[in-house]
Amino acid sequence: SSELTQDPAVSVALGQTVRITCQGDSLRSYYASWYQQKPGQAPVLVIYGKNNRPSGIPDRFSGSSSGNTASLTITGAQAEDEADYYCNSRDSSGNHHVVFGGGTKLTVL
Amino acid sequence: EVQLVESGGGLVQPGGSLRLSCAASGFTFSDHYMDWVRQAPGKGLEWVGRTRNKANSYTTEYAASVKGRFTISRDDSKNSLYLQMNSLKTEDTAVYYCAREGGDFWENWFDPWGQGTLVTVSS
Repeated sequence: SSELTQDPAVSVALGQTVRITCQGDSLRSYYASWYQQKPGQAPVLVIYGKNNRPSGIPDRFSGSSSGNTASLTITGAQAEDEADYYCNSRDSSGNHHVVFGGGTKLTVL
Repeated sequence: EVQLVESGGGLVQPGGSLRLSCAASGFTFSDHYMDWVRQAPGKGLEWVGRTRNKANSYTTEYAASVKGRFTISRDDSKNSLYLQMNSLKTEDTAVYYCAREGGDFWENWFDPWGQGTLVTVSS
């Protein structure tokens, strides 16, 4: 099955821009989706498809992709953006399964 | 409001069984694929499996780690999703989330998610 790799931890100064990446062979064929998870809470979808935001997600969140790497960018990070972020995509093995990245802990300084 | 509410978690001994439920509201449940995703304590997200909708014959798929032990089913008349877990192992200890699946051939996402229900497998 496919694997998605994320940096375990990333930090950003308040108000600055941060990029969280997700790498994997499946991303050459499929778009990544991104989720924000705060402690003790369920994940929340923040980006899906080419670069779509669900209703209620601030426009400082955006997504992009190149080759085998998908990126989630937060432009002007806020204190409330401190959370774990996970990517997912379809598995490229042809089995219709789903794969998640290991998650990135974002710290806003 | 679109909402998913899980129930049925608890403490079970290794080798035991447990059935989780997920009650859906605020959307046409029968139209959607539905999935289970789990998260072991302090770990990342792991896809467990899905059930497709009636138009796709309610077919199911499972992660290799649970295939043959877990069964996903649904009752569209009750807007409910189920996860029957048999032959439980200590490594199945996790918070189990139900989630509505969206997407097409090129993409796949989960929105919304339930609040999760904790399953602890321990003697």
